[in-house]
Amino acid sequence: DIQMTQSPSSLSASVGDRVTITCRASQVINHYLAWYQQSPGKVPHLLIFGASTLQSGVPSRFSASGSGTDFTLTISSLQPEDVATYYCQKYDRIPWTFGQGTKVEIK
Amino acid sequence: QVQLQQSGPGLVKPSQTLSLTCDISGDSVSSSSAAWNWVRQSPSRGLEWLGRTYYRSKWYHDYAVSVKSRISINPDTSKNQFSLQLNSVTPEDTGVYYCARDDGTVRPFEYWGQGTVVTVSS
Repeated sequence: DIQMTQSPSSLSASVGDRVTITCRASQVINHYLAWYQQSPGKVPHLLIFGASTLQSGVPSRFSASGSGTDFTLTISSLQPEDVATYYCQKYDRIPWTFGQGTKVEIK
Repeated sequence: QVQLQQSGPGLVKPSQTLSLTCDISGDSVSSSSAAWNWVRQSPSRGLEWLGRTYYRSKWYHDYAVSVKSRISINPDTSKNQFSLQLNSVTPEDTGVYYCARDDGTVRPFEYWGQGTVVTVSS
């Protein structure tokens, strides 16, 4: 099965900072990559699909890119409400697989 | 707007069967474009996809290798819901269980249930 590896596992940044999270697939998954945000105690929430398409209603400070095996999620200006754990997920073929998560905190 | 409402016990004894149900509103379990999944989350395993059922002229099922010998996901068209049964549970099966909808390789888990905390303990 394809493995998804995220880095870093956690980060701390100041409000207004640019934050970047990376996700690497162990095999090519083309553009079949999604990003989720899970705020503390909440259900995961779809942010990005198709590697770079913003889900409706998601703030424009979130963006993503990548194809093949290497992907990034960027928050252009970190806000207090962005404190959460972020997960990537590949969905090119079964089994659907998630990364281990990146915990984002405010410094 | 699709909504998924989960129900089922939060405590299961070791070796017994974990059973959860996910009620669907705003869509049909028999949809020709959607698939109906179960995902669980635990500190040790993170987010783990367990399996799904979907209808494309007939019913199909996909299961994760890690639980394939113990899992069953079944649709109930009369109630517009689907269920999870996980047999022979151990404390390793403790976690938060979610139902979720995907539409294949178009869009992944856009809709999720509220989550059910399941503890396996005697």
